[in-house]
Order: sequence, then C-alpha cells, then structure tokens
Amino acid sequence: QVQLVESGGGVVQPGRSLRLSCAASGFTFSSCDMNWVRQAPGKGLEWVAVISYDGSAKYYADSVKGRFTISRDNSKNTLYLQMNSLRAEDTAVYYCARDQGDPVIPLDYWGQGTLVTVSS
Amino acid sequence: EIVMTQSPATLSVSPGERATLSCRASQSVNSNLAWYQQKPGQAPRLLIFGASTRATGLPARFSGRGSGTEFTLSISSLQSEDFAVYYCQQYNNWPRTFGQGTNVEIK
Repeated sequence: QVQLVESGGGVVQPGRSLRLSCAASGFTFSSCDMNWVRQAPGKGLEWVAVISYDGSAKYYADSVKGRFTISRDNSKNTLYLQMNSLRAEDTAVYYCARDQGDPVIPLDYWGQGTLVTVSS
Repeated sequence: EIVMTQSPATLSVSPGERATLSCRASQSVNSNLAWYQQKPGQAPRLLIFGASTRATGLPARFSGRGSGTEFTLSISSLQSEDFAVYYCQQYNNWPRTFGQGTNVEIK
C-alpha cells in the first residue's frame, strides 16, 4: 500500500536551517509529482512546493520562494524540503503528498506530517 | 495567485441531514478543483477531484459540482464520521491554493 513517512522536524531557531525528508513506498515514486503542504497550528492548509516526477520542474508558494528548496532522489524513493532562513511563521506541520496520473489526481495520498517549530 | 473563498466558515448540521458547502475562485479554474476532508490530528484526505469525480472508495453520499469559479460539495445524509473540516483547492494554476476551510459540526 502507498506509504509516505515524513521526518526531520523539530525545534529550530529563527534564521537557521532544517531539512525534511519524506520516504515513499508502495508505488512507483519516480512516476509521480510530489508536493509539500503545511498547516500552522490551528490554521488551514497551505500548499508549499511541488517537484515533477523527474525533478525537472519545481514550483513554490510565494511565502517560501528563495528560502525553501524541494528536491528528490528517485534512487532512494525520497522527497526533501530544504528550509533556510526560517521564520516564526514557518512553524507548522509539514505534509508530503503525491500527485498521480495525467490528467492529474492531486494530493491523493498524504503522509502523517512532521512538526517544525521555529522559536528562540 | 488565485484566491479560494469557502462559505460558510462553520456549518451546524444534524446527523442524517444534508450539508452543502461552497467554494468560490477569484478567477476561472475550469474543473481543476479538489475537495479534502480533515479530522482532528489526521492528515487531509482527498474526496473529490476534477470538481465532481469521487476518489476511490468514497461513499456516494458525497458529490461535487461546478466549474469555472463556483463549486459545491454536498453530503446527502451526514454520518457521524463526516463531521470534520473540508477544504477546497484549485490546481489549475501555480501556486495551488486552498480555501480557508468549512468546519462541519454536529448541531
């Protein structure tokens, strides 16, 4: 069955960096576009970034553009989110989620999320 | 970016009643609109994509309609497991954007 497992969250000081990982299994990872979506405590969902199946295309939310980098290693079935220059407003649960197919079925499977807390 | 506006923010419904949730886009998203359900402490779950196509295994009491800028999600007879927060999301343009959510609560 499809599984997405995030890791790498924790408490980090403002201005510092953190890298999240998402380990995928149960499907052909190299065929799927992958996303990061976040949710601040008690708030709604915010789409963060997407990477195409082969890593050739990437898009970001304006709120993270220039600070966050999405990447993937298809040989390891793993998605990454490098987060630099972290701010208090980046505090959230970060989910990875896949897109499937063409035409796309968006965000059809999600991980359980990993909490990032930006605080001094 | 496209702004998605959901209404109402909170919907109080009795079990067995019908619930209708609305989602409006600030510009046309064609039929590239999805609905997600989220329960406390859980990841969101895809319900509807393409404005009206149910995700695998979704009960038929859930239905989606609309195109362009106006969309609705209807739940024909609310079950206890349906009380949750519902989000719409457009995936016609980058960045993808979510609505702020509708909390469907027990009346």
